[in-house]
Amino acid sequence: DAGITQSPRHKVTETGTPVTLRCHQTENHRYMYWYRQDPGHGLRLIHYSYGVKDTDKGEVSDGYSVSRSKTEDFLLTLESATSSQTSVYFCAISELTGAGAYGYTFGSGTRLTVV
Amino acid sequence: KNEVEQSPQNLTAQEGEFITINCSYSVGISALHWLQQHPGGGIVSLFMLSSGKKKHGRLIATINIQEKHSSLHITASHPRDSAVYICAVTGIGKLVFGAGTILRVKS
Repeated sequence: DAGITQSPRHKVTETGTPVTLRCHQTENHRYMYWYRQDPGHGLRLIHYSYGVKDTDKGEVSDGYSVSRSKTEDFLLTLESATSSQTSVYFCAISELTGAGAYGYTFGSGTRLTVV
Repeated sequence: KNEVEQSPQNLTAQEGEFITINCSYSVGISALHWLQQHPGGGIVSLFMLSSGKKKHGRLIATINIQEKHSSLHITASHPRDSAVYICAVTGIGKLVFGAGTILRVKS
């Protein structure tokens, strides 16, 4: 979707190295999310943000940190990558719609391999 | 028990067939979402429903709030419809996802 981009699209990194994934939006949406998608587990929430410098943990936050210094950017950092963090990572944005519910837009995903 | 259950898990259809994917949920919701993911691809939002029925091209989504059930229908299916279809709900807080339905449409 044109309003949300993730970078990089693919990355291979070594165990123990730090990795940062970037999510950039042009929609000025308040809420941003990081998910990971793994076979047999579906989509799981890592961290989310409800405003600049306002973030909170999701269900699988161990080993991950996030930062949001600007409305448009939400960064996900793996402080010391492990093989269990090999996954596809999706960013999403949401905002309240006129229908009174939150609509979501997803990024194209980042495929991360930790070797 | 998962809060969002989808059926079937896997579905193979012949081109042209009418397809139905079902989603049941056990929590109060403000909206239900149908998402599509092609192999190796991103996630696209197809519909957001809070009541009734929506149609977009060959896709139709319905929701019954009282029965806590939604269906996604694909008319005149085509091989390009082959994808994973994910049901997700929003209640108080964040999205809760179903496990997804893997659809394969053969030509």
